[in-house]
Amino acid sequence: EAQVTQNPRYLITVTGKKLTVTCSQNMNHEYMSWYRQDPGLGLRQIYYSMNVEVTDKGDVPEGYKVSRKEKRNFPLILESPSPNQTSLYFCASSLGEASGGFSYNEQFFGPGTRLTVL
Amino acid sequence: QKEVEQNSGPLSVPEGAIASLNCTYSDRGSQSFFWYRQYSGKSPELIMSIYSNGDKEDGRFTAQLNKASQYVSLLIRDSQPSDSATYLCAVEAIFYGGATNKLIFGTGTLLAVQP
Repeated sequence: EAQVTQNPRYLITVTGKKLTVTCSQNMNHEYMSWYRQDPGLGLRQIYYSMNVEVTDKGDVPEGYKVSRKEKRNFPLILESPSPNQTSLYFCASSLGEASGGFSYNEQFFGPGTRLTVL
Repeated sequence: QKEVEQNSGPLSVPEGAIASLNCTYSDRGSQSFFWYRQYSGKSPELIMSIYSNGDKEDGRFTAQLNKASQYVSLLIRDSQPSDSATYLCAVEAIFYGGATNKLIFGTGTLLAVQP
């Protein structure tokens, strides 16, 4: 089954304790992205990756790190979590091919990780 | 700042009626548009994509695109209580005329279908 998986699904932690949220896709997609979703603010992109070893900041990258050592995996790292990073996090992937102004790239989302930082 | 605007709702319709969800976007060069459905606490699920002006139909769903007016809409015919969810409009950002793969999301419209 084609899917994007995330772990853990739920996490409660304390300020300053480093954590990693894993993301994996089995569709051989080149483009992967992390979002956070907060009430009234919608989905905001944190980081994205166009391919292995190619990552870049999204709209709200402060306090986060990512890596893309393998095509299928794109972990999100919070080195020193703070309460303002309490949110619902989604990983997504898409083919990543583009031609001119079109990409025809439908993004598929993982199930989400609900993070609470106390 | 590229923006995607949606009415937050709630949009309340009776069962069996047509629900009409609207979205406007600011980036005139955008070419790819998507509608996602999100149930509370769940992940966004892609239901429609549209790339050309006009209508695109898939079952009970019809997406409509008007690039001149920078407007995209989603019609849900024969609405069912199971359609009650938040509907997110997403537009692919363009950079110097080229696709970026980055989606800009609206904040969503909450649809409530009354039995």
